[in-house]
Formats: sequence, structure tokens, C-alpha cells
Amino acid sequence: QVQLKESGPGLVQPSQTLSLTCTVSGFSLTSNSVHWVRQPPGKGLEWVGAIWSGGSTDYNSALKSRLSISRDTSKSQVFLKMNSLQTEDTAIYFCTRCRPLQGFFDYWGQGVMVTVSS
Amino acid sequence: NIVMTQSPKSMSISVGDRVTMNCKASQNVYNNIAWYQQKPGQSPKLLIYYASNRYNGVPDRFTGSGYGTDFTLTINSVQAEDAAFYYCQRIYNSPFTFGSGTKLEIK
Repeated sequence: QVQLKESGPGLVQPSQTLSLTCTVSGFSLTSNSVHWVRQPPGKGLEWVGAIWSGGSTDYNSALKSRLSISRDTSKSQVFLKMNSLQTEDTAIYFCTRCRPLQGFFDYWGQGVMVTVSS
Repeated sequence: NIVMTQSPKSMSISVGDRVTMNCKASQNVYNNIAWYQQKPGQSPKLLIYYASNRYNGVPDRFTGSGYGTDFTLTINSVQAEDAAFYYCQRIYNSPFTFGSGTKLEIK
């Protein structure tokens, strides 16, 4: 069955780089896109960015200068890297699958909490 | 950039009542809207896609409608387990912007 699981450090220092991994199973990254969505504590959902089945990427314009999304299809993993972290980047980070050709998010990971603090 | 505005921010409803919440897009998104339900400590769950299509296993008391810029999620005969946050999202094209959410409380 389709599953996604996020992993990464729970605590990152300000100005440092965040590295997260989304490990997927039950579907192929070469025929599905994976997106990242984040949620600051007590706040709403924010679309972060995506890597499409062909390998191209799309980013939230507000984060684009600090953000990179990549993948390793052989390991069924998608990576998020965000640099120059600030306290406002403290959030739960979710990875989610976008159903091919339909454009909605049908499966979600459980999320990983990332705190930016010294 | 497209902005999705949800209203109201919160509402308190009794079991068995009907509830309607709104989502307004800042530009024409045709029917490219999804609705998600999120309960505390959980990931969002897809309810409705393409404005009015119920996702697999979603109870038929959930109904979506609208086209263009104005969209509505209606829950008929609200149940206690419907207490949650509800988010609309522009889908199919980037950016996949979310609305700010509506909190549904059950009295």
C-alpha cells in the first residue's frame, strides 16, 4: 500500500540548513510527484514545493531562494534542503503524494516536527 | 500569486445541524479545488477534489460545490467526529496554495 514517511533532525540552529528525507513505498517516483507541506505550531498549512515525476521541481515563491528538492529514485526517497533557517521555519513538515494527472494530495506522511532554536 | 480566503475562521455547531463553510480564490481556478480535514495531531485527509467529487470512503454528508472563484463545503447532519480544521486548496497547478482554514467545533 502507499506510504510516505518523513525523517530528519528535530532541532536545527538558526542560520543552519535543514535536511529532510521522505521515504515512500507502494508507488514509483518516476510516475508520481511528491510535495512538501509545512504547518507552524497552531497555524495553517503552507505548500512548500514539489518534485515532479520527470524530476523537475516547483517551489513556493516565498521560499524559493532557500529551498532545494531532489530525489533518489533507486531508494524511493525525496529530499528537502532549506538553508538560512529562521525561527519562523519551525513547523511540522509533511510529504504527500500528488495523484498522477489529477493534482490532488491523496496520501500523506505522519509529518516531522522541526524546531529552529539555539 | 493566488490567494485562497476561507470563512468563517471558526464555527460552533450542534450535532445534527448543517454547516456551510466558504473558500474564495483571488483568481479563476475553474474547478481545481480540494478540501481537506485535519484533526489535532493528524495529517490532513482528502475529502473533496475538483470542487465536488467525494474522495474514497468520505461520508455522503460532505458535499462540495462551486466553480471559478467561489466554493463551498457543506456538512449535512454534523457528527461529533467532524470536529476538525477544514482547508481548501488550489490543486492541479502550481502554486498549490492552501486557505487559512476553518475550525469546526461541536457544542
